[in-house]
This record gives sequence, structure tokens and C-alpha cells, in this order.
Amino acid sequence: AQTVTQSQPEMSVQEAETVTLSCTYDTSESDYYLFWYKQPPSRQMILVIRQEAYKQQNATENRFSVNFQKAAKSFSLKISDSQLGDAAMYFCAYRRTQGGSEKLVFGKGTKLTVNP
Amino acid sequence: DVKVTQSSRYLVKRTGEKVFLECVQDMDHENMFWYRQDPGLGLRLIYFSYDVKMKEKGDIPEGYSVSREKKERFSLILESASTNQTSMYLCASKPGGNTEAFFGQGTRLTVV
Repeated sequence: AQTVTQSQPEMSVQEAETVTLSCTYDTSESDYYLFWYKQPPSRQMILVIRQEAYKQQNATENRFSVNFQKAAKSFSLKISDSQLGDAAMYFCAYRRTQGGSEKLVFGKGTKLTVNP
Repeated sequence: DVKVTQSSRYLVKRTGEKVFLECVQDMDHENMFWYRQDPGLGLRLIYFSYDVKMKEKGDIPEGYSVSREKKERFSLILESASTNQTSMYLCASKPGGNTEAFFGQGTRLTVV
């Protein structure tokens, strides 16, 4: 079974600085998707960024980028120029692309605090 | 915009009650999911449905059942609520294929 591990239960960063959240996963599949979701205090889960495993280029969305290391099964999220609104729980998630299963497997989350 | 609506944000029920959590999506998505979120445990999949009247167990189905009579509505049922089912429940929906899932705002259920 696939598993997703986030080893940092909590992280903090100063406003305007850069922070990296870690995620590793375990799978025997060769093709899959990886996601980072953000959950602010409002509880609304929002997709931050996604990466397709067959694409070698790291995904980027404005201040958010990933470092995808397929061989190491690592998928970290870098937030540049951190803003107060980035404070939230961040969840890493995995989804296989073959076999018809649409389910997402989530890590336990990292709580990010942004200090002014 | 895709909208996933959960019927209650907060719910308090008594032990032994039958509890219904409702979720409605407005984008004709085939797939719908119920997750349970607990501190330190992340999101764990309870059940999901890939079509009307079709369902599959997730990782923690014990004590729960689901119903999907119409495509837009996916209900989570606690047959006999227990205090260990006190939790945050998140509903999600997604179309088929390699697309993102959209989440509701969650229902915080307390069983007393």
C-alpha cells in the first residue's frame, strides 16, 4: 500500500523568508500524481500545487515550487517570500494514475506558522 | 466555481444515535469521498464512491456506511455513534481522470 510521510509536524518561518516542507512517499508504481494541499483555519482544503511523476521538471505556482526527486521518493514544497496568509496546515498527497482508483492518500500534515 | 457543500459545520450528537452527514457537489463529478481528519493522523479515507450506488471501503470503514442515490449527493452514516467518532469529517469530489479533488468545509462532529 502507498504511504505518505511528513516528518515535520510543525514549522515556522519569518515573513518574507523561504521555508521548505518535506514529504516522502512509498510506492511501487511508476506513474502517479503528487499534490500539496493547504488547509487554513477556515478548514477549506485548497490545492497548492501538483506534480506528475512522469514529468522531470519541477512544478511551480507563483511563490510555491516543489523539489521532486523520483528516485528518492521525495516531494518537498518550497514557499518563497512567505506571507502571513500562508499560515496553515499543509498536506502532501499521492494518487496513482493506473488501476482506476481515484483515492488520495494523505500525509499527517505540517502546521506552518508565519511570524511577522 | 466548483462547490462542495457539507450540511453542517458543527454537530453534537449523543452516543448511540444514528448520524447522517450530507455532502452535495454541483459539478457533476463522478467521484466522491469521505475523509476523517484527526490531529497528528492527517486525513484518512473512510469510503469513496465512483458512481451512483457504487462505493468502496477506504482505510477506516468500521462503524460507518455510505449512501449515494444521486450523483450529486454522498451521505456518510454513523449507525450508532460512539465517542471515538468525535472528529472532523471532510467530503471531497472530483471528476474522472487526472484532476484535482475539491473539498467541502468540513463537519466537526462531537459525540457525547
